Amino acid sequence: AAGVIQSPRHLIKEKRETATLKCYPIPRHDTVYWYQQGPGQDPQFLISFYEKMQSDKGSIPDRFSAQQFSDYHSELNMSSLELGDSALYFCASSFQGGGQPQHFGDGTRLSIL
Amino acid sequence: ILNVEQSPQSLHVQEGDSTNFTCSFPSSNFYALHWYRWETAKSPEALFVMTLNGDEKKKGRISATLNTKEGYSYLYIKGSQPEDSATYLCAFGSSGDKLTFGTGTRLAVRP
Repeated sequence: AAGVIQSPRHLIKEKRETATLKCYPIPRHDTVYWYQQGPGQDPQFLISFYEKMQSDKGSIPDRFSAQQFSDYHSELNMSSLELGDSALYFCASSFQGGGQPQHFGDGTRLSIL
Repeated sequence: ILNVEQSPQSLHVQEGDSTNFTCSFPSSNFYALHWYRWETAKSPEALFVMTLNGDEKKKGRISATLNTKEGYSYLYIKGSQPEDSATYLCAFGSSGDKLTFGTGTRLAVRP
């Protein structure tokens, strides 16, 4: 069965650069979630989208923005990268959000030098 | 800040043992409680989503119960197998899509 696809799997950037992470949800899933997991930490919710509209917002820095496109894929744009942004970024998708199980991608590991 | 706590932090059991762990969450503004299984080098896998007080869910040897009034959920594994070794995460949903994750219980099953 098709799963959530994230790209790239690994990304290395320098401070003050920008990065774009992509997420392709499971077909027919309409809700996408982004999480950040720092070293040794539990996943922190960043932001979610339902039917291309932002549906919920967590601890996402102002330097980050995200959107969901007409084909339901989502992109997380990160600017002015800082060392503390080094983390594993997970995307998950579900059908109709809320109380539905979330299906996670394998994550993008972002390293800031 | 929502407090979602899991205990124990880690657990080592022998193959064939049954085990259980706890997730504690705020008893107010409850919407849903999720359980995920997370193996090393893989992404979290959804086990259960529970929304009603008294809910009990079962998937093979794994089952979960929910008490929203007192703010806890138990996850049970019957007859643990080495392939059950993973981190088990619970996540609390108060409204909308936002989930607050616990720190997980790391289970190691010895053959």
